[in-house]
Amino acid sequence: GESVGLHLPTLSVQEGDNSIINCAYSNSASDYFIWYKQESGKGPQFIIDIRSNMDKRQGQRVTVLLNKTVKHLSLQIAATQPGDSAVYFCAENPGAGTALIFGKGTTLSVSS
Amino acid sequence: GAVVSQHPSRVICKSGTSVKIECRSLDFQATTMFWYRQFPKQSLMLMATSNEGSKATYEQGVEKDKFLINHASLTLSTLTVTSAHPEDSSFYICSASSKGSSYNSPLHFGNGTRLTVT
Repeated sequence: GESVGLHLPTLSVQEGDNSIINCAYSNSASDYFIWYKQESGKGPQFIIDIRSNMDKRQGQRVTVLLNKTVKHLSLQIAATQPGDSAVYFCAENPGAGTALIFGKGTTLSVSS
Repeated sequence: GAVVSQHPSRVICKSGTSVKIECRSLDFQATTMFWYRQFPKQSLMLMATSNEGSKATYEQGVEKDKFLINHASLTLSTLTVTSAHPEDSSFYICSASSKGSSYNSPLHFGNGTRLTVT
């Protein structure tokens, strides 16, 4: 079935660098996307979301970019900190009343 | 707001026994709860969708008689793994969507239950 995927399984950065995590989705009907952060042994934690009528949304230190033409989503983390080390998932909501579909996850490792 | 509590956080059981996992919405009414399973270094896979007061809808390949879901109230859903086997060992996570919320709103997740079947 259709699913959301991620390009890179791991990303290693130095503290203070900017991080970019990418995601490709396949369901062109999806119009709502979310990035989650998951730390070891915990449930996913909401980071930021975006609707398809937008191409960019900013939060605190995070920015999500959406390119509907190529069905690509990215999460940018500014001034990455060791506490940002976790697995990051993008997720799409294909419709009302349906569950989120998760991508494969990217493990972000931040070294001091 | 929008806190989802899951209990227990860890459970170890013997093969053949049953285990119940609870998922509670603490500060909102959850008309729909979703149960996911996550194997190590993998993504979350949807197991079933649970609507309050009705039977759960299971994803293809998920045995409804093995994974019993009850959503009897707007704040509680339970997942019972019956006759557990070692291959059922996994991280089970619930999420909930609140009554009246648009589908364009983020789901909130519990902190998961690590099930180990010996």
